[in-house]
Amino acid sequence: DTGVSQDPRHKITKRGQNVTFRCDPISEHNRLYWYRQTLGQGPEFLTYFQNEAQLEKSRLLSDRFSAERPKGSFSTLEIQRTEQGDSAMYLCASSAEGQSYNEQFFGPGTRLTVL
Amino acid sequence: QQQVKQSPQSLIVQKGGISIINCAYENTAFDYFPWYQQFPGKGPALLIAIRPDVSEKKEGRFTISFNKSAKQFSLHIMDSQPGDSATYFCAASRNQGGKLIFGQGTELSVKP
Repeated sequence: DTGVSQDPRHKITKRGQNVTFRCDPISEHNRLYWYRQTLGQGPEFLTYFQNEAQLEKSRLLSDRFSAERPKGSFSTLEIQRTEQGDSAMYLCASSAEGQSYNEQFFGPGTRLTVL
Repeated sequence: QQQVKQSPQSLIVQKGGISIINCAYENTAFDYFPWYQQFPGKGPALLIAIRPDVSEKKEGRFTISFNKSAKQFSLHIMDSQPGDSATYFCAASRNQGGKLIFGQGTELSVKP
C-alpha cells in the first residue's frame, strides 16, 4: 500500500497521560499536514511541514501539542497531559511540492478517546 | 475571512437523482477548491478539485461548478447511487501549498 499510513488507528487513554501518534506520508511527498476532526465537523488544520521544517502552526495547537518531522520523512504528533476535549480523530495528509494542484491525500486517521 | 460555509448539512436523494452541495468562501486569495468524500471511520478521500480559471470541471458523474464573482462553488453528483452515501466536504486553500480550510460537511443519503 503506497498511501498515507497512520499508527495507531485507535488510542484510549486516561486524562493526564501523554500520547504520541505517527504518520508515514506517501514516499515522494515532501509536505505533511496534521488535522483534527471532531464528530460532525470538517477537519481543522493543526500544523504543516515542508521537508523537516515546520512552516505553520494553528492556534489550536496549544503548548501541550508538539509535532516533529526530524528527517523529512515520517512525522509524530505528541499530546501531553491529555484532556477530555482532546478526544477526536487526528488526520495526517501529504502532498508534493511543485505539482499543479495542492492535492492533499489523507491517511485513515488515529481516533483518540480520553477518559 | 478564513471560513468556508457549506450547505445543506444533510441531503436525502433518490437513486438516480442529482445531489447538489454548495459552498461559499470569503478569502479571495484562495485559488484551489477540492471536494472530499468521507465514509464513517475513514479518512477523507479526494474526489475532484478546481482552480478558479475555469467555471466547471467534470469527472465521471461528479461536476464542480465555480462562480468566482459570487465566491461560490458547488458539487453535482449525477445519477446518484446508494454507494455515494457518505459525508462530503468542500475545502479551499492557496494552490502553492498550505492548509486546507474545510466546510462543515454534508451528510448525503441516497435511497434505493
